[in-house]
Amino acid sequence: NAGVTQTPKFQVLKTGQSMTLQCAQDMNHEYMSWYRQDPGMGLRLIHYSVGAGITDQGEVPNGYNVSRSTTEDFPLRLLSAAPSQTSVYFCASSYSYQGSGSYEQYFGPGTRLTVT
Amino acid sequence: AQSVAQPEDQVNVAEGNPLTVKCTYSVSGNPYLFWYVQYPNRGLQFLLKYITGDNLVKGSYGFEAEFNKSQTSFHLKKPSALVSDSALYFCAVRDNGGYSSASKIIFGSGTRLSIRP
Repeated sequence: NAGVTQTPKFQVLKTGQSMTLQCAQDMNHEYMSWYRQDPGMGLRLIHYSVGAGITDQGEVPNGYNVSRSTTEDFPLRLLSAAPSQTSVYFCASSYSYQGSGSYEQYFGPGTRLTVT
Repeated sequence: AQSVAQPEDQVNVAEGNPLTVKCTYSVSGNPYLFWYVQYPNRGLQFLLKYITGDNLVKGSYGFEAEFNKSQTSFHLKKPSALVSDSALYFCAVRDNGGYSSASKIIFGSGTRLSIRP
């Protein structure tokens, strides 16, 4: 298993540009999520999904869109990049959010985004 | 809404001494609690979790955590620290309030653990 993969690893954007951060997992996990990590702020939840076709907002959703058309993929779209979106972005996945199964999340290696 | 707090930005411990990294939480229902570790330029790795049962949970690399419902805390501990334990540690919480909709998993701000030889 490749686990959780993220592309690209690094990206530089100009203000106003749009782009999509890719996330894929091959563990058949229902739950997927996007976080951003900023110094002193920890990890903040952007969006999450409990299955294909279902998404919801996290703590800091503004400026980001997501969709979940398949179980495997959960792309994050920046609509119009701003310097405040400079951050490291992590995608994570886990088994069912309900029931007695395992709940820990598996994290991707991250995407370092700089917006100038 | 759930929240989690890590009151210490940094914890410094001498190798061989016990260590504690503090975490407190707030949820409306029963909590699911997690600890993760992040090494430089890496993603987060799962250490341990509390779902139900014994208040003392054992995890990877000799770490353990104690769930205290009355104090709403879930402190991470290790009896004897190693230099290789130096990393960034995150506490996370999910509110198992029994909702039909999904519950968010919220992370704390992180604590940098530094173990000196």
